[in-house]
This record gives sequence, structure tokens and C-alpha cells, in this order.
Amino acid sequence: GNSVTQMEGPVTLSEEAFLTINCTYTATGYPSLFWYVQYPGEGLQLLLKATKADDKGSNKGFEATYRKETTSFHLEKGSVQVSDSAVYFCALTSNTGKLIFGQGTTLQVKP
Amino acid sequence: DAGVIQSPRHEVTEMGQEVTLRCKPISGHNSLFWYRQTMMRGLELLIYFNNNVPIDDSGMPEDRFSAKMPNASFSTLKIQPSEPRDSAVYFCASSHSTGTDTQYFGPGTRLTVL
Repeated sequence: GNSVTQMEGPVTLSEEAFLTINCTYTATGYPSLFWYVQYPGEGLQLLLKATKADDKGSNKGFEATYRKETTSFHLEKGSVQVSDSAVYFCALTSNTGKLIFGQGTTLQVKP
Repeated sequence: DAGVIQSPRHEVTEMGQEVTLRCKPISGHNSLFWYRQTMMRGLELLIYFNNNVPIDDSGMPEDRFSAKMPNASFSTLKIQPSEPRDSAVYFCASSHSTGTDTQYFGPGTRLTVL
């Protein structure tokens, strides 16, 4: 079945550090891939997405590239800010419409 | 656009009571999803609807849980009777259609069952 695996957190970084959160997936067919972010006390917000192999999703300085050969969709940001502190979820959806989430990775950015 | 609207935002109830959570999807969206989030189990899909019809309810934990979508702009998730282990944050999400469309989440309802 479809599944998503994220690196375990929490990830603690200093402001302006480089961020990578690893995400790998298992899926049949050609899923779309997503990164959602959840700020404290809020619902999930779409951060970026990619719908086919080699697509790069980007938003707010975050990027992720759909790598079919390595079944990965790693999230990166060149310089994190304190305001980026949140929980990040990698997810995939197949043509059934169900979103399959990873377990989430907590990012804490210290000034 | 108002986004997905959920009510109440917080609910505290006693074991055995009936709980009803409400959701208004984004206008024009045809698919609606109910999720539950806990520390232990993460995010779980409970049920989803397409054009007001339940498509997959395999995630509904047991018969105490039921969901309805009487029209395109309203859905409810009911727990009767509630138990302490039902304590969680319940999210509603909607999308334009099923498939690979982006799902937009509501702010969630934090349920505490004492």
C-alpha cells in the first residue's frame, strides 16, 4: 500500500541555518506529493506540491523536488527563520483522493 | 474566500455524552474529508465524501462514529457515546475533487472527553 516516511524530529536549528527534512514514499501509480505545515494551535496549510516526476514545488523559500528514481520529496530551505518553527508533514495522494501523511517532523528554530 | 469553517473550535464533554462536530467546506469544492490527529497515531483519515456521498469510511474507528453530508455546504461528525480515548483534534478538509487536488484544511476542533 501507499506510505510516507519522514525523518524523525525534533529538528533544532539556529536562525539562518540550512534545512533539510527527508521524505520518502511508497506508492503505486503516479501520486502527487505535498508538504503541509502546521503552526502551533492551527490547522494544516499547504506549503508546496509537485504532481509529476522532476517537478519542483516552491513557496516561501522552501523547495522540494519530486524524485521518482529515489522515491523522495525532501524539503529544503536555505536560511530558516524563527517563524518557520512548526510541524512539517510530507504527504501523497493517489487517484483515490486519499491523502497519506508521514508522521510529521517538528522544526524548532532558535534565534 | 472564507476557507473551511469548523465548529466548535473547542469541545469539552463527559464520557458517554454525544458530540457533534460541524464543517462547512469551501464553496465549489466537491470533496470533503474528516481527519483525526493524536500524538500517538498522528493524522488519520476517518471518512471522505464526494458530491455528498460517502466514498470511503474505512478509517472510522467504530460504530460510535458516524458522519453525514446532507448538502454540499455542510457536514457533521458525530460520536455517540463519547469516550476519553476519543480526545483528539478533528480536522475537516475540502478539495475541488478527489484525485490529486489540493486539500484545504479547517482550523480543527479540539475535543476533550473527561
